[in-house]
Amino acid sequence: DADVTQTPRNRITKTGKRIMLECSQTKGHDRMYWYRQDPGLGLRLIYYSFDVKDINKGEISDGYSVSRQAQAKFSLSLESAIPNQTALYFCATKEGPSTGELFFGEGSRLTVL
Amino acid sequence: AQRVTQPEKLLSVFKGAPVELKCNYSYSGSPELFWYVQYSRQRLQLLLRHISRESIKGFTADLNKGETSFHLKKPFAQEEDSAMYYCAPGGSQGNLIFGKGTKLSVKP
Repeated sequence: DADVTQTPRNRITKTGKRIMLECSQTKGHDRMYWYRQDPGLGLRLIYYSFDVKDINKGEISDGYSVSRQAQAKFSLSLESAIPNQTALYFCATKEGPSTGELFFGEGSRLTVL
Repeated sequence: AQRVTQPEKLLSVFKGAPVELKCNYSYSGSPELFWYVQYSRQRLQLLLRHISRESIKGFTADLNKGETSFHLKKPFAQEEDSAMYYCAPGGSQGNLIFGKGTKLSVKP
């Protein structure tokens, strides 16, 4: 089945370490997103990409960077992790420019000590 | 600025009771509105969108443009409805803006 896959699913790291969260999709969608989920704060958009050459900052991009290696791959990096980046991170895809439905990955739980 | 408000962090009802999860939005133009659901330990998934006007798992949502609301309703809650629910109006460039979510707990 076409799907959205995130790796790793869980990661514990220390302050100052570099972390990469990876997302791959087999849906053939052009648009990919990274969201962060925190209790009481809902989902907040970190970065989004409309295609390989088009990357945009979302609501809370500070402290994060992304790379769209291919249509199917969109990675989120924390160059120097800090404890308040402890959260559940979701990748999502969408087919096209209209609002449409988002398809989510299973999430990557990151803990920064 | 485009905003979405879900006023209840937690909503607790008994099985068989009606349930209404509130959502209010501020948005310029005519937004497309969605409800997403996240069951325990599962990924978020689309529950329903206002354009399709369909009922999923017994849930319905009516767009009230005058009140800028998109409340989610179900006449008889089931235990399996316990989940986190997010209201999401379409934002700029087709991006979805999510509310902070309401945790629905349906007690036996």
